[in-house]
Amino acid sequence: GENVEQHPSTLSVQEGDSAVIKCTYSDSASNYFPWYKQELGKRPQLIIDIRSNVGEKKDQRIAVTLNKTAKHFSLHITETQPEDSAVYFCAARNSHSGGSNYKLTFGKGTLLTVNP
Amino acid sequence: DSGVTQTPKHLITATGQRVTLRCSPRSGDLSVYWYQQSLDQGLQFLIQYYNGEERAKGNILERFSAQQFPDLHSELNLSSLELGDSALYFCASSEDGRETQYFGPGTRLLVL
Repeated sequence: GENVEQHPSTLSVQEGDSAVIKCTYSDSASNYFPWYKQELGKRPQLIIDIRSNVGEKKDQRIAVTLNKTAKHFSLHITETQPEDSAVYFCAARNSHSGGSNYKLTFGKGTLLTVNP
Repeated sequence: DSGVTQTPKHLITATGQRVTLRCSPRSGDLSVYWYQQSLDQGLQFLIQYYNGEERAKGNILERFSAQQFPDLHSELNLSSLELGDSALYFCASSEDGRETQYFGPGTRLLVL
C-alpha cells in the first residue's frame, strides 16, 4: 500500500519568514495530494491540494509543488504569521481502486510554530 | 464549520466496553470516511462507506465495525475496548466523484 513520509516533524520560524514542509510517497499511481492544517483540538482543514497533472499550485501565501518523477511534493508558506502555527498534514490518494474510493494516506504531520 | 457533524464530542468509558460514534455527512455527500488519530500514529484511515456500501478498508481492527444508513449518516462501533483505543476519531465526507474530504469535529474517546 501507499506510504507517505513527511519532514520535518517540527519547524520553528520567525514571523515573516517562509516555511517549507516536504513529503514523499511510495505509490507511483497516486494522483491526488491534499494538505490539511489542524489547530490544537480542532478538525483537519483542507488548505490546498494538487493533482498529478499539475506541477505547482498557488493560493495567496500558500503554494504546493509536485515532482512526480521523484515522488515528492512540498508545501510552501510565505510571509508566515503567528496564526499559521498548527500541525500540517500531507496526504496522498492513489488511483488503483478508482471509482468512488478516495482513501487518503497521511503523513505523520509537521508542527509549525511561527514566533512573533 | 465543514458541515460534517459528529456526536458525542467526548466519551469516557472503561476497558471491555462498547461504544458507538455517530457521523452525519455534509448534505448530499455520499461518501463517509472514518479516521483514528492518536499521538504516535497520526491520522489512520479506518474505513469508507459510499451510499450505504463499504468501499474501502484500512487498518481497522476486527473489534471495530461501521455502517452507513439510508439517510447517509454513519456509525462506528468499537467493542471490547482497550486502553490503546483512546484517540480522536474523525469522520469525513466527500461529494460523489470529488476527492476533497471535509472533516467533522471529531469524537475524543478515553478508555480507562
